[in-house]
Amino acid sequence: DADVTQTPRNRITKTGKRIMLECSQTKGHDRMYWYRQDPGLGLRLIYYSFDVKDINKGEISDGYSVSRQAQAKFSLSLESAIPNQTALYFCATSDYRDRGKYNEQFFGPGTRLTVL
Amino acid sequence: DAKTTQPPSMDCAEGRAANLPCNHSTISGNEYVYWYRQIHSQGPQYIIHGLKNNETNEMASLIITEDRKSSTLILPHATLRDTAVYYCIARDSGGYQKVTFGIGTKLQVIP
Repeated sequence: DADVTQTPRNRITKTGKRIMLECSQTKGHDRMYWYRQDPGLGLRLIYYSFDVKDINKGEISDGYSVSRQAQAKFSLSLESAIPNQTALYFCATSDYRDRGKYNEQFFGPGTRLTVL
Repeated sequence: DAKTTQPPSMDCAEGRAANLPCNHSTISGNEYVYWYRQIHSQGPQYIIHGLKNNETNEMASLIITEDRKSSTLILPHATLRDTAVYYCIARDSGGYQKVTFGIGTKLQVIP
């Protein structure tokens, strides 16, 4: 979905390096999320943000941090990358307004991160 | 979120209807059933959702049993581009909107 973009799309880095993954959206949604996907484990939530002043930890936030620079931008940082953070990372957005559509989330194309 | 159970894989002939089942026997009254799909390594894509009534949109139909303990996603005329992993989620529309994806059903559409 071109409304949610992620950069970079692919990244290879070394253990101990600091990495930032960026997400931008043009959907005008207040809510943004970061997930990681590993083979056989489905999607797991790392952090989520309901607006610029709101940041919340998800299931697996250790080793990660986030920044919500603006309504449209939500960045994920790996302070000191380690090999078990090798995964596919997805950013998503959702709109608060319509009850029943709360869980209609719009996902970006993903960032494939490899930590050597 | 209520636990959902899906078969790990299914095959469907191109042009035929694909019927993907989901069990959610512990679903509560205010939990919706949502379906997403993920085409290989792309971002998940919302398909449809429902509470009690059957629903239809341009992508699919959702049939929910009267007791709401199970549902079926129907792709009426499957194409090769429908090959994907399909996720069924039972979720309250309130609260924070974490979406928990399990393993899903890998649908292979066969020419």
